[in-house]
Formats: sequence, C-alpha cells, structure tokens
Amino acid sequence: TQLLEQSPQFLSIQEGENLTVYCNSSSVFSSLQWYRQEPGEGPVLLVTVVTGGEVKKLKRLTFQFGDARKDSSLHITAAQPGDTGLYLCAGGVSNYQLIWGAGTKLIIKP
Amino acid sequence: EAQVTQNPRYLITVTGKKLTVTCSQNMNHEYMSWYRQDPGLGLRQIYYSMNVEVTDKGDVPEGYKVSRKEKRNFPLILESPSPNQTSLYFCASQRGPTDTQYFGPGTRLTVL
Repeated sequence: TQLLEQSPQFLSIQEGENLTVYCNSSSVFSSLQWYRQEPGEGPVLLVTVVTGGEVKKLKRLTFQFGDARKDSSLHITAAQPGDTGLYLCAGGVSNYQLIWGAGTKLIIKP
Repeated sequence: EAQVTQNPRYLITVTGKKLTVTCSQNMNHEYMSWYRQDPGLGLRQIYYSMNVEVTDKGDVPEGYKVSRKEKRNFPLILESPSPNQTSLYFCASQRGPTDTQYFGPGTRLTVL
C-alpha cells in the first residue's frame, strides 16, 4: 500500500514567520500536487511538480519535489492570515490515480 | 462560471435509508470522481468515470454505486447507508487524467 505522510499535522504560528510543510513517502511518484482547502470548500490545486529536484514558486510559496520523486516540501515565507487552511499533497501513480496525504492544518495568527 | 456543484450540502439520515448525492459540472469534462474525506486519512477515491457509461472502482468502493448517463452528471448512490459512511464527500471533474481536478464544495453526510 502506498502511503504519503504529511508533517506536521497541525501548525499554528504568528503572522510574518516562515514555515515548511513536508510530504514523504517510500514510493516514487510521477508527479506531486499541492492543494489548499478552506472550511466548507473543496481542495484547490496550487501547483504540480513533475521532475525530480523541481522547484516552483507561487508568490510567497515555494514548492520542491525531491530528487528521487519520493518527497516534497512547501515553504511559506512571511506567512499571512490569508494562508490559513488545510494543505494537502497528492502523489500521482501509474494509472493516473492520486495517493493523498492526510493534510497539514495551518493557522496563521494576526 | 465554471464549477462543480453538489447537492445536498448537508444530510443527516438513518441506517438503511437509500440516498443519492448529485454532482454536476459545466466544463464538459470527461473525467469525474467521488472522494470521501475523513480526519487523519486524507481523501480516498470511491469511484471514478472516464466518460459516459464508463465507471470504475477507486480505493474504497464498498457500499457505494455510481452512474454516468450524461457527461455533466455523476451521482453517488448509497443503497443502504451505514454509520461508517458518515463522512465528507467531494465530487471532482477534470478534462483528462493528468489535467487539473476541480472539486465541488462537499457534502457532509451523517448516518445515524
């Protein structure tokens, strides 16, 4: 069974701080997606990384795919209250299906 | 506006009473999926459909049925709901298997 472990499960920090969320597996993925989910809504895709070592930036968010395509990280610089939400990672497998992490609940306090 | 809609958004029912959760998308997408989300487990795929009349099981299909008679609609049917099906359900659609998935707002189901 393929697993995708996210850490930490919960993170509460002050506005302006930096943070990193991790997504780890022993399996190799064809791609790795990061989503953000707000209460009462479905997940919204933030980014897809497909190449080992790939780094993508979305304003203050930096996403990295591990060289071996088994892990990924999301780094937020100078977090803002608007970054609050549940962050989910999902790994692509050979039959176009996704393996999902359990999520990291992030709270940014003003 | 491009969107995926689900109804109802909230449902409380009793064990054994058949129910249907509707899902509709207006983006002419080929692929549609149903997921359930439970604390600590992330999203788990229940069923997916690659086109009209083409459906297949996901990771947790037991106790669920689906149909895809029209491209835009993909209802989820619980013939005899049980308490372990209490969960948050999401419908999603995408143009192709590697394209961006768009999720509906979710249906919170409680089975007593």
